[in-house]
Amino acid sequence: EAGVTQFPSHSVIEKGQTVTLRCDPISGHDNLYWYRRVMGKEIKFLLHFVKESKQDESGMPNNRFLAERTGGTYSTLKVQPAELEDSGVYFCASSHQDYGYTFGSGTRLTVV
Amino acid sequence: DAKTTQPNSMESNEEEPVHLPCNHSTISGTDYIHWYRQLPSQGPEYVIHGLTSNVNNRMASLAIAEDRKSSTLILHRATLRDAAVYYCILRDVDDYKLSFGAGTTVTVRA
Repeated sequence: EAGVTQFPSHSVIEKGQTVTLRCDPISGHDNLYWYRRVMGKEIKFLLHFVKESKQDESGMPNNRFLAERTGGTYSTLKVQPAELEDSGVYFCASSHQDYGYTFGSGTRLTVV
Repeated sequence: DAKTTQPNSMESNEEEPVHLPCNHSTISGTDYIHWYRQLPSQGPEYVIHGLTSNVNNRMASLAIAEDRKSSTLILHRATLRDAAVYYCILRDVDDYKLSFGAGTTVTVRA
Protein backbone atom coordinates (compact mmCIF):
# COMPACT_ATOMS: atom_id res chain seq x y z
CA GLU A 1 0.00 0.00 0.00
CA ALA A 2 1.10 3.57 -0.54
CA GLY A 3 2.53 5.22 2.54
CA VAL A 4 1.89 8.61 4.07
CA THR A 5 2.90 11.31 1.64
CA GLN A 6 3.98 14.78 2.63
CA PHE A 7 4.83 17.75 0.47
CA PRO A 8 6.74 19.76 -0.03
CA SER A 9 9.72 17.87 1.34
CA HIS A 10 11.51 21.17 1.93
CA SER A 11 10.31 24.75 2.19
CA VAL A 12 12.30 27.91 2.76
CA ILE A 13 10.27 31.03 3.46
CA GLU A 14 10.86 34.46 4.88
CA LYS A 15 9.64 35.49 8.27
CA GLY A 16 6.11 36.83 8.01
CA GLN A 17 5.16 34.76 5.00
CA THR A 18 2.60 31.98 4.89
CA VAL A 19 3.35 28.33 4.27
CA THR A 20 0.97 25.42 3.80
CA LEU A 21 2.09 21.86 4.36
CA ARG A 22 0.10 18.98 2.97
CA CYS A 23 -0.30 15.40 4.13
CA ASP A 24 -1.95 12.52 2.30
CA PRO A 25 -2.61 9.67 4.74
CA ILE A 26 -2.93 6.01 3.91
CA SER A 27 -6.29 5.40 2.31
CA GLY A 28 -8.84 4.23 4.85
CA HIS A 29 -6.99 5.57 7.87
CA ASP A 30 -9.43 7.65 9.88
CA ASN A 31 -6.77 8.91 12.29
CA LEU A 32 -4.35 11.58 11.15
CA TYR A 33 -1.73 13.28 13.29
CA TRP A 34 0.70 16.14 13.00
CA TYR A 35 3.98 16.21 14.92
CA ARG A 36 7.02 18.42 14.67
CA ARG A 37 10.64 18.57 15.78
CA VAL A 38 12.12 21.99 16.18
CA MET A 39 15.87 22.45 16.35
CA GLY A 40 17.49 20.53 19.18
CA LYS A 41 14.20 19.43 20.67
CA GLU A 42 12.25 16.20 20.80
CA ILE A 43 9.42 15.27 18.47
CA LYS A 44 6.23 16.84 19.79
CA PHE A 45 2.58 16.13 19.14
CA LEU A 46 0.57 18.93 17.50
CA LEU A 47 -2.89 17.56 16.82
CA HIS A 48 -5.06 14.58 15.97
CA PHE A 49 -7.90 14.28 13.49
CA VAL A 50 -10.50 11.56 13.43
CA LYS A 51 -11.88 11.75 9.93
CA GLU A 52 -12.54 15.48 9.41
CA SER A 53 -12.92 16.35 13.10
CA LYS A 54 -10.19 17.65 15.37
CA GLN A 55 -10.02 15.18 18.23
CA ASP A 56 -7.15 16.77 20.10
CA GLU A 57 -5.31 19.98 19.24
CA SER A 58 -3.63 20.44 22.58
CA GLY A 59 -0.17 20.53 21.04
CA MET A 60 -0.76 23.41 18.63
CA PRO A 61 1.69 26.11 19.73
CA ASN A 62 -0.41 29.18 19.00
CA ASN A 63 -3.09 30.60 16.71
CA ARG A 64 -0.65 31.12 13.86
CA PHE A 65 -1.08 27.42 13.15
CA LEU A 66 -4.23 26.17 11.44
CA ALA A 67 -4.87 22.56 10.51
CA GLU A 68 -7.67 21.27 8.34
CA ARG A 69 -8.68 17.93 6.98
CA THR A 70 -10.93 18.15 3.99
CA GLY A 71 -13.60 15.47 3.80
CA GLY A 72 -11.60 13.24 6.07
CA THR A 73 -8.94 12.68 3.43
CA TYR A 74 -5.82 14.82 3.07
CA SER A 75 -4.81 17.40 5.65
CA THR A 76 -3.11 20.77 5.50
CA LEU A 77 -1.17 22.64 8.14
CA LYS A 78 -0.89 26.35 7.54
CA VAL A 79 1.50 28.62 9.37
CA GLN A 80 0.58 32.31 9.07
CA PRO A 81 2.63 34.39 9.62
CA ALA A 82 5.70 32.21 9.97
CA GLU A 83 8.27 33.05 12.65
CA LEU A 84 11.90 31.98 12.96
CA GLU A 85 11.09 29.57 15.81
CA ASP A 86 8.72 27.65 13.53
CA SER A 87 11.69 26.18 11.69
CA GLY A 88 11.91 22.43 12.02
CA VAL A 89 10.64 19.19 10.57
CA TYR A 90 6.90 18.62 10.46
CA PHE A 91 5.71 15.02 10.40
CA CYS A 92 2.33 13.68 9.51
CA ALA A 93 1.17 10.20 10.51
CA SER A 94 -1.94 8.12 10.06
CA SER A 95 -3.35 5.04 11.71
CA HIS A 96 -6.28 2.70 11.54
CA GLN A 97 -7.96 2.32 14.91
CA ASP A 98 -5.42 1.35 17.54
CA TYR A 99 -2.67 0.00 15.35
CA GLY A 100 0.81 1.42 14.94
CA TYR A 101 1.21 4.75 13.24
CA THR A 102 2.69 5.19 9.78
CA PHE A 103 4.67 8.40 9.49
CA GLY A 104 5.56 10.36 6.42
CA SER A 105 9.11 11.48 5.69
CA GLY A 106 8.36 14.97 6.90
CA THR A 107 8.54 18.51 5.60
CA ARG A 108 11.63 20.47 6.56
CA LEU A 109 10.58 24.07 7.08
CA THR A 110 13.17 26.80 7.26
CA VAL A 111 12.08 30.32 8.14
CA VAL A 112 14.71 32.98 7.39
CA ASP B 1 2.34 11.28 30.77
CA ALA B 2 4.19 8.27 32.08
CA LYS B 3 7.90 8.61 31.36
CA THR B 4 10.49 6.24 30.00
CA THR B 5 14.26 6.12 30.50
CA GLN B 6 16.59 4.85 27.82
CA PRO B 7 20.38 4.88 27.38
CA ASN B 8 21.57 7.66 25.11
CA SER B 9 23.45 5.36 22.77
CA MET B 10 24.42 1.79 22.05
CA GLU B 11 26.81 0.16 19.62
CA SER B 12 26.58 -3.23 18.01
CA ASN B 13 28.37 -5.30 15.43
CA GLU B 14 26.61 -6.35 12.27
CA GLU B 15 24.74 -9.66 12.52
CA GLU B 16 24.88 -9.65 16.31
CA PRO B 17 21.82 -9.21 18.53
CA VAL B 18 20.99 -5.83 20.05
CA HIS B 19 19.16 -5.51 23.35
CA LEU B 20 17.70 -2.06 23.96
CA PRO B 21 16.51 -1.49 27.52
CA CYS B 22 13.74 0.83 28.61
CA ASN B 23 12.69 1.65 32.15
CA HIS B 24 9.15 2.79 32.88
CA SER B 25 8.70 2.46 36.63
CA THR B 26 5.55 4.64 36.71
CA ILE B 27 3.68 2.69 34.06
CA SER B 28 -0.05 2.36 34.63
CA GLY B 29 -2.20 -0.66 33.98
CA THR B 30 -3.63 0.82 30.78
CA ASP B 31 -0.32 1.90 29.25
CA TYR B 32 0.88 0.05 26.19
CA ILE B 33 4.62 -0.07 25.52
CA HIS B 34 5.39 1.09 22.00
CA TRP B 35 8.69 1.16 20.13
CA TYR B 36 9.40 3.32 17.13
CA ARG B 37 12.63 4.01 15.32
CA GLN B 38 13.78 6.85 13.14
CA LEU B 39 16.30 6.31 10.40
CA PRO B 40 18.29 9.31 9.17
CA SER B 41 16.22 11.79 7.16
CA GLN B 42 13.02 9.78 7.59
CA GLY B 43 9.96 9.90 9.77
CA PRO B 44 9.56 7.60 12.76
CA GLU B 45 8.73 4.00 11.92
CA TYR B 46 6.57 1.70 14.03
CA VAL B 47 8.49 -1.31 15.32
CA ILE B 48 6.41 -3.19 17.86
CA HIS B 49 4.11 -2.77 20.85
CA GLY B 50 2.82 -4.83 23.74
CA LEU B 51 0.91 -4.72 26.99
CA THR B 52 1.96 -7.60 29.24
CA SER B 53 3.13 -10.56 27.20
CA ASN B 54 6.26 -10.77 25.12
CA VAL B 55 5.67 -9.98 21.46
CA ASN B 56 7.43 -10.97 18.26
CA ASN B 57 7.14 -9.68 14.73
CA ARG B 58 9.27 -9.66 11.62
CA MET B 59 11.26 -6.67 12.80
CA ALA B 60 11.97 -7.38 16.45
CA SER B 61 10.93 -8.92 19.73
CA LEU B 62 9.66 -7.13 22.81
CA ALA B 63 10.35 -8.62 26.20
CA ILE B 64 8.27 -7.13 29.01
CA ALA B 65 9.20 -7.61 32.65
CA GLU B 66 6.66 -9.34 34.83
CA ASP B 67 6.05 -6.17 36.87
CA ARG B 68 5.97 -4.15 33.61
CA LYS B 69 8.37 -1.59 35.01
CA SER B 70 10.88 -2.29 32.27
CA SER B 71 11.07 -3.77 28.80
CA THR B 72 13.69 -4.71 26.24
CA LEU B 73 13.55 -4.39 22.48
CA ILE B 74 15.55 -7.14 20.82
CA LEU B 75 16.90 -6.92 17.31
CA HIS B 76 17.99 -10.47 16.62
CA ARG B 77 20.59 -9.81 13.94
CA ALA B 78 21.56 -6.20 13.48
CA THR B 79 22.21 -4.93 10.00
CA LEU B 80 23.63 -1.60 8.91
CA ARG B 81 20.09 -0.60 8.03
CA ASP B 82 19.11 -0.89 11.70
CA ALA B 83 21.24 2.13 12.61
CA ALA B 84 18.64 4.58 13.92
CA VAL B 85 17.25 6.31 16.97
CA TYR B 86 14.96 3.95 18.87
CA TYR B 87 12.15 5.37 20.98
CA CYS B 88 10.38 3.57 23.81
CA ILE B 89 6.99 5.20 24.37
CA LEU B 90 4.14 4.56 26.75
CA ARG B 91 0.70 5.15 25.31
CA ASP B 92 -2.49 4.92 27.30
CA VAL B 93 -5.20 2.81 25.71
CA ASP B 94 -7.50 5.87 25.60
CA ASP B 95 -4.91 8.34 24.33
CA TYR B 96 -3.67 8.47 20.76
CA LYS B 97 -0.74 10.79 21.43
CA LEU B 98 2.83 9.56 21.30
CA SER B 99 5.29 11.29 23.65
CA PHE B 100 8.75 10.98 22.17
CA GLY B 101 11.79 11.28 24.41
CA ALA B 102 15.41 11.48 23.29
CA GLY B 103 15.58 7.78 22.44
CA THR B 104 18.62 5.53 22.06
CA THR B 105 20.93 6.09 19.13
CA VAL B 106 22.02 2.70 17.81
CA THR B 107 25.20 2.45 15.79
CA VAL B 108 25.95 -0.76 13.87
CA ARG B 109 29.53 -1.53 12.97
CA ALA B 110 30.27 -3.49 9.81
